[in-house]
Amino acid sequence: EAGVTQFPSHSVIEKGQTVTLRCDPISGHDNLYWYRRVMGKEIKFLLHFVKESKQDESGMPNNRFLAERTGGTYSTLKVQPAELEDSGVYFCASSPRVGESSYNEQFFGPGTRLTVL
Amino acid sequence: AQSVAQPEDQVNVAEGNPLTVKCTYSVSGNPYLFWYVQYPNRGLQFLLKYITGDNLVKGSYGFEAEFNKSQTSFHLKKPSALVSDSALYFCAVRGALSGYSTLTFGKGTMLLVSP
Repeated sequence: EAGVTQFPSHSVIEKGQTVTLRCDPISGHDNLYWYRRVMGKEIKFLLHFVKESKQDESGMPNNRFLAERTGGTYSTLKVQPAELEDSGVYFCASSPRVGESSYNEQFFGPGTRLTVL
Repeated sequence: AQSVAQPEDQVNVAEGNPLTVKCTYSVSGNPYLFWYVQYPNRGLQFLLKYITGDNLVKGSYGFEAEFNKSQTSFHLKKPSALVSDSALYFCAVRGALSGYSTLTFGKGTMLLVSP
């Protein structure tokens, strides 16, 4: 079974530019999550999709961040325009929606390291 | 608020010795607790979880963790460390505040096992 994949693995952009990160969850997983880790800090929740619907986006830092999950498959996270403080590692995770979802562990991708100069 | 504390930035242990990586939490309601490990240039890998039942849970690669409700702790342990255990370890919790959906993580603890 293929795991969660993320693209690109690294991205270096200038302040003010736009970047789009992509996440492909494990096939059949309805739950998809985005998290971010700023250097040396905690991994922080950004948002949660159930299929194509945003279940919880309370962790999104501001309106420069836009997440989509068209068709309930892969997801994109766009940052426009990027700022210096957006640098960090962006993780995507997925989990199945079978049984008691809250009992299920989330499966994480390798992350996208974003550097904004 | 929901939070996780990992008081040690780094833990050093010699190969063959027991290891402990500490984690305490603060959450509303019953906690669902998780440990993840991140090897260099890899994503987070699930190690083990506590949802309910026996306070001692066993997970992957010989790791185990003990849930202690009175001390609000969920320390990760292994009886005999391997050099290959060297990695970054994250403790995480789900609680009522997040609808038992999203994970709240600690800052991570780097484990270094010397030969």
